[in-house]
Amino acid sequence: AQSVTQPDIHITVSEGASLELRCNYSYGATPYLFWYVQSPGQGLQLLLKYFSGDTLVQGIKGFEAEFKRSQSSFNLRKPSVHWSDAAEYFCAVGVHNTDKLIFGTGTRLQVFP
Amino acid sequence: DVKVTQSSRYLVKRTGEKVFLECVQDMDHENMFWYRQDPGLGLRLIYFSYDVKMKEKGDIPEGYSVSREKKERFSLILESASTNQTSMYLCASRDRVGEKLFFGSGTQLSVL
Repeated sequence: AQSVTQPDIHITVSEGASLELRCNYSYGATPYLFWYVQSPGQGLQLLLKYFSGDTLVQGIKGFEAEFKRSQSSFNLRKPSVHWSDAAEYFCAVGVHNTDKLIFGTGTRLQVFP
Repeated sequence: DVKVTQSSRYLVKRTGEKVFLECVQDMDHENMFWYRQDPGLGLRLIYFSYDVKMKEKGDIPEGYSVSREKKERFSLILESASTNQTSMYLCASRDRVGEKLFFGSGTQLSVL
């Protein structure tokens, strides 16, 4: 069965520092992958997605993610974090021939000034 | 813009009650989903529907059922609410496989 692992429950960074949030998936077929962000009291917003093609994907708010098939990973990165990036981040995986979409357990990002 | 509306933001029910959570989307989307969100567990898929009257179990369907009689409406039913069903429930829809999900604002259900 497909699954998503976000190994970091909580990450703290200083404003202006770089960020990498890890996401690993488990599935035999080629997945499609998403990163969503949930700010406190808000709904989930899509940051970016990978469906096919270029493995480096650009998203909103300066985020990017790289699909690495050999490592079954889809890590989210940002070169310089802003205080407004403090939120919970969810990785999600789906499979091309099904409708099912599975989310990871999330990583809570805290940003210090 | 797509709107996914969940009928209640907060709901308090008693153990054993039958509970209906309603979700309506206004963009003629094929797929609709129900997730529950719990701290440390992320979003877990309860049920999803890929068409009217069609449904499939997600990862945690026990204690829940769903109904999709019309394309725009997807209802989650707790047949006999229990305290371990206290959670935030999120409804989502999308046009087709591979497209992004649009989420409702959630229903915080407390079962006492």
